[in-house]
Amino acid sequence: EAQVTQNPRYLITVTGKKLTVTCSQNMNHEYMSWYRQDPGLGLRQIYYSMNVEVTDKGDVPEGYKVSRKEKRNFPLILESPSPNQTSLYFCASSKIDRGHQPQHFGDGTRLSIL
Amino acid sequence: AQSVTQPDIHITVSEGASLELRCNYSYGATPYLFWYVQSPGQGLQLLLKYFSGDTLVQGIKGFEAEFKRSQSSFNLRKPSVHWSDAAEYFCAVGGREYGNKLVFGAGTILRVKS
Repeated sequence: EAQVTQNPRYLITVTGKKLTVTCSQNMNHEYMSWYRQDPGLGLRQIYYSMNVEVTDKGDVPEGYKVSRKEKRNFPLILESPSPNQTSLYFCASSKIDRGHQPQHFGDGTRLSIL
Repeated sequence: AQSVTQPDIHITVSEGASLELRCNYSYGATPYLFWYVQSPGQGLQLLLKYFSGDTLVQGIKGFEAEFKRSQSSFNLRKPSVHWSDAAEYFCAVGGREYGNKLVFGAGTILRVKS
């Protein structure tokens, strides 16, 4: 089954404690992306990757890092989380086609930073 | 700035009634347009997309959308709503003018009353 898998689904943690949210896709997609969803703001892109070892900033990259060492994985790293990063996070992937638009989303990771 | 506007934050319709959700985008000569649906606790599912050609596109679950370039709109419609359609709906725009990302609207929450 084609899917994008995020882990964990839920996490409550404290300010300053480094965390990583993993994302894996099994569709051999070149393009992967991270979004955060906040009420009234829709989804905003954090980082994206066009292929292995190619990453770039989205609209709200501050406080986040990513890496793309393998095609299937695209982890999101919060080196020093802060309460304003409390949000619902989605990973997405797509083939490089028609403007590289993400079409497959994970089920989301709800992060609470206390 | 690039933007996507969904003017209705909440909409309530009766089961069996018709539905139209509005979406306007700020610019783009050749936009790629999408509607996604998000059920509670779930990721985003693609309902339909428009890249080019026929401006009336059919999607899954009985939804359709019409692209009107003169109005910069891409409204989502369904002739008869079912209770299971209650969810949050997001319009998104991509394409060359939007770089390697989708720009999302803030979402419209649909409630269905029986």
